[in-house]
Amino acid sequence: GQNIDQPTEMTATEGAIVQINCTYQTSGFNGLFWYQQHAGEAPTFLSYNVLDGLEEKGRFSSFLSRSKGYSYLLLKELQMKDSASYLCAVLDSNYQLIWGAGTKLIIKP
Amino acid sequence: NAGVTQTPKFRVLKTGQSMTLLCAQDMNHEYMYWYRQDPGMGLRLIHYSVGEGTTAKGEVPDGYNVSRLKKQNFLLGLESAAPSQTSVYFCASTDRENQPQHFGDGTRLSIL
Repeated sequence: GQNIDQPTEMTATEGAIVQINCTYQTSGFNGLFWYQQHAGEAPTFLSYNVLDGLEEKGRFSSFLSRSKGYSYLLLKELQMKDSASYLCAVLDSNYQLIWGAGTKLIIKP
Repeated sequence: NAGVTQTPKFRVLKTGQSMTLLCAQDMNHEYMYWYRQDPGMGLRLIHYSVGEGTTAKGEVPDGYNVSRLKKQNFLLGLESAAPSQTSVYFCASTDRENQPQHFGDGTRLSIL
């Protein structure tokens, strides 16, 4: 079966750095997406990785290791508005997105 | 700059009633998707469409039907609503499968 694992909840302090991990086992791989979802709102796109390595976009970076079936999202200089759920999703061999259950990130002042 | 629009935003139904959820996108996207999101679970694909006039089943299609008569619209129907279909429903679209999906604001549906 196909499986995406992420921690259910994480807590971090405003101004700090946090790393949210995602491991996956899927039938094929055509890329990995990270989305942000604030409570009661729609998911919004953050990043896409298809090759190994680190992609940096402002305060957010995403890393991929295809051989390990592993990705992480790194958030720097945390702000209160970063409190949200972060969803990891893998595009499988049929180009279907397989979604993790999401990691709820709580930012404390 | 509407993007993806879902109607209605909220609805309460009684068991056995039917209804249709409408999704409209103004980005000329080929691919459209219907998901449901339940607490503690990832988004689950109900049905999707790869172009006008086409539909296909996703992971959890039972109890739902869809139609894509026009490229910009993707309709999700519940034939006979059941309490297990209480959920938040999201529509999404994209122009290519390996491009980010754009989501509507969701429809919160309760079945009593």
